[in-house]
Amino acid sequence: GAVVSQHPSWVICKSGTSVKIECRSLDFQATTMFWYRQFPKQSLMLMATSNEGSKATYEQGVEKDKFLINHASLTLSTLTVTSAHPEDSSFYICSAITGSVGNNEQFFGPGTRLTVL
Amino acid sequence: KQEVTQIPAALSVPEGENLVLNCSFTDSAIYNLQWFRQDPGKGLTSLLLIQSSQREQTSGRLNASLDKSSGRSTLYIAASQPGDSATYLCAARYSTLTFGKGTMLLVSP
Repeated sequence: GAVVSQHPSWVICKSGTSVKIECRSLDFQATTMFWYRQFPKQSLMLMATSNEGSKATYEQGVEKDKFLINHASLTLSTLTVTSAHPEDSSFYICSAITGSVGNNEQFFGPGTRLTVL
Repeated sequence: KQEVTQIPAALSVPEGENLVLNCSFTDSAIYNLQWFRQDPGKGLTSLLLIQSSQREQTSGRLNASLDKSSGRSTLYIAASQPGDSATYLCAARYSTLTFGKGTMLLVSP
């Protein structure tokens, strides 16, 4: 299957700082990328959907000015958590798909554990 | 509202047992349904994907079925092993992928 990588795999930062997480599709071109967050013992919640070269579409309740998403190329999307606070501590997982969203398989990255002190 | 529910939330079985995990979805207009495995603190591993036109998919000891009309999918694991211990997530594809909360499986030696 296709491979999606994330960097870093974990990060600890101080409250008020910004953190950037990278998501790369290694062996395919990702026309659409997704960002999820997962709290302990909870399921994945979709934060936003991004298409290459377009602005991301955010889910209801997700602050677009706080979670900046850039899908600059067909193999790279970044999520920047701005002015991070302890409540932003979570497991962030990106996912990518190529071609039409409807029928194609969605591939997931290994996740990034963010801890905000 | 499109929701995905998984039952049971947790399951503990002795090694060697066959088991069934259940997934239900409220809106039957899905493109496909996917089963994933998630180990603690890790990302997702895709197990099986069933397109809306299919009834089941098999991979090794795993078999997933799909009944769109009733809004249900099951994941059957044959001859369970301790290495199967993980959280199993099902997700229904609408315009986005909607996840259930998962079933935490523990297979004891």
